[in-house]
Amino acid sequence: NAGVTQTPKFRVLKTGQSMTLLCAQDMNHEYMYWYRQDPGMGLRLIHYSVGEGTTAKGEVPDGYNVSRLKKQNFLLGLESAAPSQTSVYFCASTNWAYNEQFFGPGTRLTVL
Amino acid sequence: ELKVEQNPLFLSMQEGKNYTIYCNYSTTSDRLYWYRQDPGKSLESLFVLLSNGAVKQEGRLMASLDTKARLSTLHITAAVHDLSATYFCAASLWGKGGSEKLVFGKGTKLTVNP
Repeated sequence: NAGVTQTPKFRVLKTGQSMTLLCAQDMNHEYMYWYRQDPGMGLRLIHYSVGEGTTAKGEVPDGYNVSRLKKQNFLLGLESAAPSQTSVYFCASTNWAYNEQFFGPGTRLTVL
Repeated sequence: ELKVEQNPLFLSMQEGKNYTIYCNYSTTSDRLYWYRQDPGKSLESLFVLLSNGAVKQEGRLMASLDTKARLSTLHITAAVHDLSATYFCAASLWGKGGSEKLVFGKGTKLTVNP
């Protein structure tokens, strides 16, 4: 079991560029989440999904889109990156049977 | 709106000493989580507290929950250098489809000095 994996680990973008972050889990979890972590802040929820084909907004959804076409994958897209989106992005997954979310290793994104 | 406040945000302590980190949350929450994060790493789950009066212990760390006061504490006993890390608490909200959304505190950066 690889658990929760994230691709890429690091990325540098220029303002206005687009990119997609991939989160994959091999635990057959229903629920998946995207968080961002900024210095001096805890994690903040961007979007989440309760199953294949369904997504919902979290606390800070503006500037991001998500898709969950397959149960094991949850994609986070930035259509036009801004410096304010410089952050570390964490993906997590779980299902109703667990009392915890399982976090991926993170993606460090810098927007210049 | 659920808000979570941790204090202190920075804690420098000597090895062998005891200390407590406090986590207050603003509205009713069913669960309270504690996580540890080492620099450049992901989050490691420490405890989940499910009911009023819940107490869990693992090694030198003990977490408790008072839902009436909306307060959780993480107590460190006889600190050692290996406990140096950032500790986050998170309270939960129910989201769509039975899912659980977490609202995190800003974290407490703990440094244990020899």
